[in-house]
Amino acid sequence: GAVVSQHPSRVICKSGTSVKIECRSLDFQATTMFWYRQFPKQSLMLMATSNEGSKATYEQGVEKDKFLINHASLTLSTLTVTSAHPEDSSFYICSASETSGWNSNEQFFGPGTRLTVL
Amino acid sequence: AQTVTQSQPEMSVQEAETVTLSCTYDTSENNYYLFWYKQPPSRQMILVIRQEAYKQQNATENRFSVNFQKAAKSFSLKISDSQLGDTAMYFCAFREGSNYKLTFGKGTLLTVNP
Repeated sequence: GAVVSQHPSRVICKSGTSVKIECRSLDFQATTMFWYRQFPKQSLMLMATSNEGSKATYEQGVEKDKFLINHASLTLSTLTVTSAHPEDSSFYICSASETSGWNSNEQFFGPGTRLTVL
Repeated sequence: AQTVTQSQPEMSVQEAETVTLSCTYDTSENNYYLFWYKQPPSRQMILVIRQEAYKQQNATENRFSVNFQKAAKSFSLKISDSQLGDTAMYFCAFREGSNYKLTFGKGTLLTVNP
């Protein structure tokens, strides 16, 4: 099956610093990637939809200047949390959809990144 | 906007028994997809089963099957012969036919007891 990786798997940073999280589709091309945030014991909340070569579409209430998303290629999207604060501590998950093929209606999820802001 | 409701925050079942997780959704669309995802303690999201709305036949994947009632907008998941490894959070999700975006329910924590 299709594989999506995320790096790093966990990161601890100081308040005020920026953190970059990478999401890669390893064995397929992904026109569209999604970034989710998940608080403990809660569901996944979609933050933004990332399309290769164009600006990301952010969900209502998500600060686009704080959560910068870049989708520079068909296999890589990055999420940068700028000027991180303790309230940004969360589990961030990316997913990717294939551009074509029988799996094109399925999202494949990365293993997630746990961000802790001190 | 679409909504997905999972009314059972937690459930438990004995090993080898059968359990059914409920999910209802609300949409005005006619073309859509429904999914059940499993999130074990590792937190890796795993697709369990999916259903295309245009298909009347209920999807089945080994021990997992769904009861899709389109008119009632209901999409329940049945797990037969429950195994300890089935212990996880289960999320029901909805996707419009023309859009890749998923809307998730709040999840049901299933515990399989030995």
